[in-house]
Amino acid sequence: GQNIDQPTEMTATEGAIVQINCTYQTSGFNGLFWYQQHAGEAPTFLSYNVLDGLEEKGRFSSFLSRSKGYSYLLLKELQMKDSASYLCAVRKNSGNTPLVFGKGTRLSVIA
Amino acid sequence: GAVVSQHPSRVICKSGTSVKIECRSLDFQATTMFWYRQFPKQSLMLMATSNEGSKATYEQGVEKDKFLINHASLTLSTLTVTSAHPEDSSFYICSASGRDYNSPLHFGNGTRLTVT
Repeated sequence: GQNIDQPTEMTATEGAIVQINCTYQTSGFNGLFWYQQHAGEAPTFLSYNVLDGLEEKGRFSSFLSRSKGYSYLLLKELQMKDSASYLCAVRKNSGNTPLVFGKGTRLSVIA
Repeated sequence: GAVVSQHPSRVICKSGTSVKIECRSLDFQATTMFWYRQFPKQSLMLMATSNEGSKATYEQGVEKDKFLINHASLTLSTLTVTSAHPEDSSFYICSASGRDYNSPLHFGNGTRLTVT
């Protein structure tokens, strides 16, 4: 079966750094994606890892370790607008295949 | 960047009626579209995979006769919820993928369906 785990909720302070972890056990692996979703809106793409290591995109970075089935999303210089759900998703197979999503981590940024 | 348009964004219908949701890729050819459903505070659950010109592939537990999917062109897929019931009330989101298989999925803005 598929298992993608991430914390349900996190709280962090404006200006700080927060790390959201994701562990996965899937029947295949062809990439791990992070999306941001504000309440009532569709997910927007943040970052993507297919090889081990760190991918940096501005204030957002994502790390992958395939041997450990582990990824994290790092958000720096937190802003109030970063309060949202962050979804970890795995593409299991190559080709045009769907993503399997975790339940999401609801991040609250406080002043 | 790739843009996916979904319509309507919000719909309220009476129990027993049917609702059609459209998903369009605006600046690329979407050979495959995926339909997801999301209940409050839950994850996105894949309902079906729709390939242009062929029948959709449904996930286990999703009734293909209730959720009709048509993907007649490379830019349009539709999901019709037939004989809707209150338990079908949910957030329906389409996503599209082009010929670059390594690109991320791009999502439509979603459709909030409320069945009364």
